[in-house]
Amino acid sequence: QQQVKQSPQSLIVQKGGISIINCAYENTAFDYFPWYQQFPGKGPALLIAIRPDVSEKKEGRFTISFNKSAKQFSLHIMDSQPGDSATYFCAASRGSGNTPLVFGKGTRLSVIA
Amino acid sequence: DSGVTQTPKHLITATGQRVTLRCSPRSGDLSVYWYQQSLDQGLQFLIQYYNGEERAKGNILERFSAQQFPDLHSELNLSSLELGDSALYFCASSVSGLSNQPQHFGDGTRLSIL
Repeated sequence: QQQVKQSPQSLIVQKGGISIINCAYENTAFDYFPWYQQFPGKGPALLIAIRPDVSEKKEGRFTISFNKSAKQFSLHIMDSQPGDSATYFCAASRGSGNTPLVFGKGTRLSVIA
Repeated sequence: DSGVTQTPKHLITATGQRVTLRCSPRSGDLSVYWYQQSLDQGLQFLIQYYNGEERAKGNILERFSAQQFPDLHSELNLSSLELGDSALYFCASSVSGLSNQPQHFGDGTRLSIL
């Protein structure tokens, strides 16, 4: 049973556009929602994370939006650049219960000039 | 550079064999995690150690085992290898081992079973 569903699988965005990746979770006990970025040949790297006490968190061009009632969260990349081309993974965990991170299956983003 | 070192980068072996993957965590990190990444399953959590003790277990096969040594490096042992074990294996480390803290990933070991 997949606990975190991520969409789309792949995404092509024009340079300067907005990239949007969505995730939905099932376990209402989850209270920590990070996003990881992975470049080819490299391991995932933490990009940004949110906890459910806020509905939005912004770091530079990257924003997480969180909807607790819908059990959904999304990553928005503003002014997308070719250097943002990578695979993005959402994840969730019950930090307070120290359960392991559960990852979505990833979204391959290509930003074209 | 995440500071997490994994060796070897690539491993090619045959079915039925046994391999050992090694991970050196980032300096100061006490917890090590192992993940398997395949095209169809994404990143799957295998097992976590904290300061030498097993902390959490995921969908790790009985043919797989791991340990964390006193110097905090970790090894993942895969035995009786099957074609389906071909995947990328990642190690990650964190300071406290709490799941709401950043995990720092190595660049992985690509295992190919022929």
